[in-house]
Amino acid sequence: KAGVTQTPRYLIKTRGQQVTLSCSPISGHRSVSWYQQTPGQGLQFLFEYFSETQRNKGNFPGRFSGRQFSNSRSEMNVSTLELGDSALYLCASSDREETQYFGPGTRLLVL
Amino acid sequence: LAKTTQPISMDSYEGQEVNITCSHNNIATNDYITWYQQFPSQGPRFIIQGYKTKVTNEVASLFIPADRKSSTLSLPRVSLSDTAVYYCLVGDYKGGGNKLTFGTGTQLKVEL
Repeated sequence: KAGVTQTPRYLIKTRGQQVTLSCSPISGHRSVSWYQQTPGQGLQFLFEYFSETQRNKGNFPGRFSGRQFSNSRSEMNVSTLELGDSALYLCASSDREETQYFGPGTRLLVL
Repeated sequence: LAKTTQPISMDSYEGQEVNITCSHNNIATNDYITWYQQFPSQGPRFIIQGYKTKVTNEVASLFIPADRKSSTLSLPRVSLSDTAVYYCLVGDYKGGGNKLTFGTGTQLKVEL
């Protein structure tokens, strides 16, 4: 099976802009989770979607949002970008809730 | 989720066995123990998962004592390509959504 794919791999935006990142889970996986990784804060959970519904949410401001489509593909959106949003954004999918498989990530740089 | 404690860094040489221990004193009855490996600018890669005793796969072994308050990831005969950050996670991921809490991890450096 193909692994988790994320697009784009790299992105440069300026403050105040918005961005949409995409994630395609492993075929058959219905759960998709998003994480933010920065040198200072490490890996932090953003939110999780299961069957098009947000099932769990981390401690991030409302500027961070997401959605999941009927084919389990997911997108996350960050509005009004801030410099501190520069990070590696990771998507993970799972079939059983014990094991998550991560994609390669999207590197976002906010200038 | 149970908090985990693991060494910040470890050094080793090629061909040696590396054991990374993780402490999780507050592990709950339903918690599993999972280890991930991460290379720079890549997503974490699942290595191994266990509940009790010993689990082995083609990559590593996981030793869990009877009290489950700690676990040890064992990497046999490491190579330079095993240089990475290793994360130990503990949690019950059933029925409540997939929310993994990563600690600081252990930076393993393998040298010639």
